[in-house]
Amino acid sequence: GQNIDQPTEMTATEGAIVQINCTYQTSGFNGLFWYQQHAGEAPTFLSYNVLDGLEEKGRFSSFLSRSKGYSYLLLKELQMKDSASYLCAVLDSNYQLIWGAGTKLIIKP
Amino acid sequence: IAGITQAPTSQILAAGRRMTLRCTQDMRHNAMYWYRQDLGLGLRLIHYSNTAGTTGKGEVPDGYSVSRANTDDFPLTLASAVPSQTSVYFCASSASYSGNEQFFGPGTRLTVL
Repeated sequence: GQNIDQPTEMTATEGAIVQINCTYQTSGFNGLFWYQQHAGEAPTFLSYNVLDGLEEKGRFSSFLSRSKGYSYLLLKELQMKDSASYLCAVLDSNYQLIWGAGTKLIIKP
Repeated sequence: IAGITQAPTSQILAAGRRMTLRCTQDMRHNAMYWYRQDLGLGLRLIHYSNTAGTTGKGEVPDGYSVSRANTDDFPLTLASAVPSQTSVYFCASSASYSGNEQFFGPGTRLTVL
């Protein structure tokens, strides 16, 4: 079966750095997405990785290792508004997105 | 309209009733999707459409049907609602099915009693 694993919940301090990990086992791989979802709202796109390595976009970076079936999302200079769920999703061989259950990130002052 | 819209925002429905959730996008995206999101679970794909006139089944299609008569609209119908269909439903679209980011509508919160 297909599986995406990420921690259920993480806590971090305002101004700090946090890394959210995602491991996957899917039938094929056509890219990995990270989305942010605030409570009661729709998911919004953060990043897309299809090749190994680090993609940086402002305070957010995403890393991919296809050989290890592993990705992480790195959030720097945390702000209170970063409190949200972070969803990892893999595009499988049928070009369907397989979603993890999400990591709820709690930011404390 | 800007982006992708869904209606209604929320609905309480008696079991056995028929319900259509509406989804419209104005981005001229080829691909559209319906997901349900339940607490503790990831988003699960119900049905998708790679282009107008075509539809396909996702991970959890039973009890749901869709149509894609044109590029902009992608309604989801529950023929006879059951309590297990209580969920938050998200419609999404992407420029194509092969690797573009998906844009999500605001969601419909459906309760079936």
